[in-house]
Formats: sequence, C-alpha cells, structure tokens
Amino acid sequence: QKEVEQDPGPLSVPEGAIVSLNCTYSNSAFQYFMWYRQYSRKGPELLMYTYSSGNKEDGRFTAQVDKSSKYISLFIRDSQPSDSATYLCATSHGNQFYFGTGTSLTVIP
Amino acid sequence: DVKVTQSSRYLVKRTGEKVFLECVQDMDHENMFWYRQDPGLGLRLIYFSYDVKMKEKGDIPEGYSVSREKKERFSLILESASTNQTSMYLCASSSGTGFLGAEQYFGPGTRLTVT
Repeated sequence: QKEVEQDPGPLSVPEGAIVSLNCTYSNSAFQYFMWYRQYSRKGPELLMYTYSSGNKEDGRFTAQVDKSSKYISLFIRDSQPSDSATYLCATSHGNQFYFGTGTSLTVIP
Repeated sequence: DVKVTQSSRYLVKRTGEKVFLECVQDMDHENMFWYRQDPGLGLRLIYFSYDVKMKEKGDIPEGYSVSREKKERFSLILESASTNQTSMYLCASSSGTGFLGAEQYFGPGTRLTVT
C-alpha cells in the first residue's frame, strides 16, 4: 500500500463549480499535510499547509484533514479556468515526506 | 518569498554525456532535494541533503550523484546519461535543522531529454 493515494482524474468542472480533491494516507502518525498546485511544465507551488486535524481556509481554498479516517481534502470554491492544473497532496512525519501522484483538474469557461 | 531557481528549463543531451543540473535557493534553507517526475509515477526522490557536504540517497539514486559545496546550491549529476533518464527534474528546499518534514518549495523544473 502506498503511503498516500490520490485519484489521478482527470476531473473536469464548469467555471464557478465547487471542486473537491481528495487523498487518503496510510499512517496515522502523519502530522503535516500539504497541497501543491502544478501548472503544466512548471514546478509544484505550495498552496496550503496544515498541521494535525481540522480546516484551514485561504481565499477560495479550504484544506481539511480528518485524522480519524486518514482523509485529506482540498475544496475550491467558485472555480476559475486559472485553477486548471494538477493538484498534489503531500504528508510528512519525522524525516519522511510523501507525495500523491496528483489529480488533473480542468475548469471549463 | 522563497525562491528556488534551476539552471536550465530545457536540456537536450546525448546518451553517455555527463550532465549537470544546478539548483539555488535564496532562503537559507538547510535541506535540499532532487526529484524526478514522470507521468503516472509522480515525484520520486533521487537524493537529498540536510547540510553542506552531506547527502543521502533517496528512492532512486542509481545513475545519479549530487554535490552540495555551499548551503544555497545543490547540484545533480548524471554521470553517463541514458535515455531512461529523460524526465522532468525538480529541485526543492525546506527549512529545519535535523527535520525533513517541513513544507518543501520547488523550483520551476528542468525538462531533460536524452537522445
């Protein structure tokens, strides 16, 4: 079993929709959770960083961690064509860092 | 803002050539990483460094070596490039002495093609 599992998609939504991106992880000891956005042919860009459980909001983006089910989510409200990218989840514990393989999102105008 | 820069965006090399990829970060981060990213395989860690002159193997170090002579600079070396090393190479850095779990900041990537 991989440490972090992420549905690769692709996911296609109309502009203005609410997008839900999800990952599951294997080790309940994981404490730090991150979401990265990667545009085509560019490096990943850190979007959200959370520690332990709960929600964190930044503008149209909300990151949610449910440690009881080992589930992490990223919600995008009022999605825009500029949100079209691949989204990678990541988690870490101690000196180990794990990435999901990414979900490709297209927001259609 | 954290800035991680990589020496080339695109690179084309021939089989057997020695290839140098350079990465520089300007945030005084202790830790630096080299990954390769391939479709369907995600990010795979090649090497990382937690201090000057220190290096540790990641998941796929074969065919690669690294050098970290200065804190801000981390180089990836392909000793003898092969076609299966055609990939997107990403450098990242993070802060934290003795701690590798902090959020990582990535450079723009180098798309290497070996023919």
